[in-house]
Amino acid sequence: NAGVTQTPKFRVLKTGQSMTLLCAQDMNHEYMYWYRQDPGMGLRLIHYSVGEGTTAKGEAPDGYNVSRLKKQNFLLGLESAAPSQTSVYFCASSTPLAVRSYEQYFGPGTRLTVT
Amino acid sequence: ELKVEQNPLFLSMQEGKNYTIYCNYSTTSDRLYWYRQDPGKSLESLFVLLSNGAVKQEGRLMASLDTKARLSTLHITAAVHDLSATYFCAVVVPNTDKLIFGTGTRLQVFP
Repeated sequence: NAGVTQTPKFRVLKTGQSMTLLCAQDMNHEYMYWYRQDPGMGLRLIHYSVGEGTTAKGEAPDGYNVSRLKKQNFLLGLESAAPSQTSVYFCASSTPLAVRSYEQYFGPGTRLTVT
Repeated sequence: ELKVEQNPLFLSMQEGKNYTIYCNYSTTSDRLYWYRQDPGKSLESLFVLLSNGAVKQEGRLMASLDTKARLSTLHITAAVHDLSATYFCAVVVPNTDKLIFGTGTRLQVFP
């Protein structure tokens, strides 16, 4: 089992460019999440999905869009990158929250720099 | 709005010493998680605390949860260099499918 994987691992963008980050999980999890991590700020939730075809906003959704067309994949898009989006992006997946053994499993991260 | 605060934010400790990291949260929640992150790496789950009074131990780390005080502690016993990492607590936001993470405690253990 690969667990949660993210593509790419590193990327440098110029202001105004667009890109898509891919997250894939092979644990048959219903829930998937996108976070960003900035120095001294912990993790902030960007968007999440509780099932195929569903998405919802987290605490920091501005400038991002997401899609969950297949259960195992969760895509994060930046339509017009800004320097403020320079960050490390983590994807996570989990069972539904109602499951008592719920916990989130994290991917290795994508380091994005916007110049 | 649920807020999660950790303290200290940075902790430098000598090998062999004991210390405690605190995680306070502002709204009732019955589940709390502790994660470890090594520099440049992803987050690794350490403990899942599911009820008031829950205590879990793994090696030199012990975590506890007091839901009435809205407080969790991560106690380090006889620290060793391998424990150097950043530790995050995370709390389930009631009636949602989300976690809110604390800002993290960066632990450095020196000889």
